[in-house]
Amino acid sequence: SFELTQPLSVSVALGQTAKMTCGGNNIEGKNVHWYQQKPGQAPVLVIYKDSKRPAGIPDRFSGSNSGNTATLTISRVQAGDEADYYCQVWDRTTGVFGTGTKVTVL
Amino acid sequence: QITLKESGPTLVKPTQTLTLTCTFSGFSLSSSGVGVGWIRQSPGKALEWLALLYWDGEQRYSPSLKSRLSIAKDTSKNQVVLTMTNMDPVDTATYYCAQRSTDVAGAFEFWGQGTLIAVSS
Repeated sequence: SFELTQPLSVSVALGQTAKMTCGGNNIEGKNVHWYQQKPGQAPVLVIYKDSKRPAGIPDRFSGSNSGNTATLTISRVQAGDEADYYCQVWDRTTGVFGTGTKVTVL
Repeated sequence: QITLKESGPTLVKPTQTLTLTCTFSGFSLSSSGVGVGWIRQSPGKALEWLALLYWDGEQRYSPSLKSRLSIAKDTSKNQVVLTMTNMDPVDTATYYCAQRSTDVAGAFEFWGQGTLIAVSS
């Protein structure tokens, strides 16, 4: 089965840039979606199809996908960006979520 | 405005069957490319995809849970029902339903608030 591996945690200073990865075998051949989840809340889609932003998501959020790694970048990090982030792909007809990364804003 | 809401029991006993209902509005499950999926999250754990129902009735299941899951729709009521048999304490989790749309390349754009299901005798 297809697996997506994310770092457990990322720490970033307020106003700086946070980058987090999502590793999977030849993941560049798949559309990668990213979700933000704050404590006690449902996930929110922040990036779809590797690098596209849904309506209402600030341009501080960006994504890329190459080789075996997809990356979510948050620029000019704000306190409100502190959350868990999950990547997700479709492996043929099966949904797969990553292990999740907790972003801590210092 | 698209909304989804999960409903079901808050507590089930081991070996029982769980039935969850997702009631949605603002879109039609008859529209080409649309799907409704179920995702769960055990306390402190990652999201886990469970099942998906497409607009054309096609069903997809997590390979590890396929034997225990069933997903169906009631188009007239704008509802999607998930059943999970032989519940176990490890199935204690928050269960979410979400809309999958080709507008966002198959991502889950809209989510319900989730419903916490505890499995205990």
